[in-house]
Amino acid sequence: LAKTTQPISMDSYEGQEVNITCSHNNIATNDYITWYQQFPSQGPRFIIQGYKTKVTNEVASLFIPADRKSSTLSLPRVSLSDTAVYYCLVENNFNKFYFGSGTKLNVKP
Amino acid sequence: DGGITQSPKYLFRKEGQNVTLSCEQNLNHDAMYWYRQDPGQGLRLIYYSQIVNDFQKGDIAEGYSVSREKKESFPLTVTSAQKNPTAFYLCASNGPNTEAFFGQGTRLTVV
Repeated sequence: LAKTTQPISMDSYEGQEVNITCSHNNIATNDYITWYQQFPSQGPRFIIQGYKTKVTNEVASLFIPADRKSSTLSLPRVSLSDTAVYYCLVENNFNKFYFGSGTKLNVKP
Repeated sequence: DGGITQSPKYLFRKEGQNVTLSCEQNLNHDAMYWYRQDPGQGLRLIYYSQIVNDFQKGDIAEGYSVSREKKESFPLTVTSAQKNPTAFYLCASNGPNTEAFFGQGTRLTVV
């Protein structure tokens, strides 16, 4: 399984765009990149998934360069409620999900 | 509503006792998972099951046991052999080529 590396924590202010980058140098051809969000004392929830280039949904955008060795989760105009831990996963076959330590995002007023 | 339900939300265990955490899903998912989360840490995989009557150990299976007698249910037993069971336990499920859906978790405390 490809190992992922993310910053331990990030700070931002309300209204700013936040970009969280994840490194996955050993990603395999069949691997997808998935991001989850976790609030304290809750289970993680799916945010976005992509294979290459750019994916956008109502919550976030995911940018994946051509070599796929990294990915960037972009959260537009964050609010206090976006304070959470964000996990980057690299997976195929969707039969196991390995979560690292994630990135703790702290949004300040 | 479809979803995945864990119970109880809080659980207290005395030293030397076995306790069982419940996980039920009505999403018709074949695969189910148990994770452990310690404060400030990520999730670690305890056990997982891809199909009824079959399950595999994850990274930290020692001191835990599971069963998968029904598609909807994947209970986790924390045995007395688990030396440090105080943690937040999360159950998840997924269907073919879908993301993981998580329950709300059970917080287990040894008293």
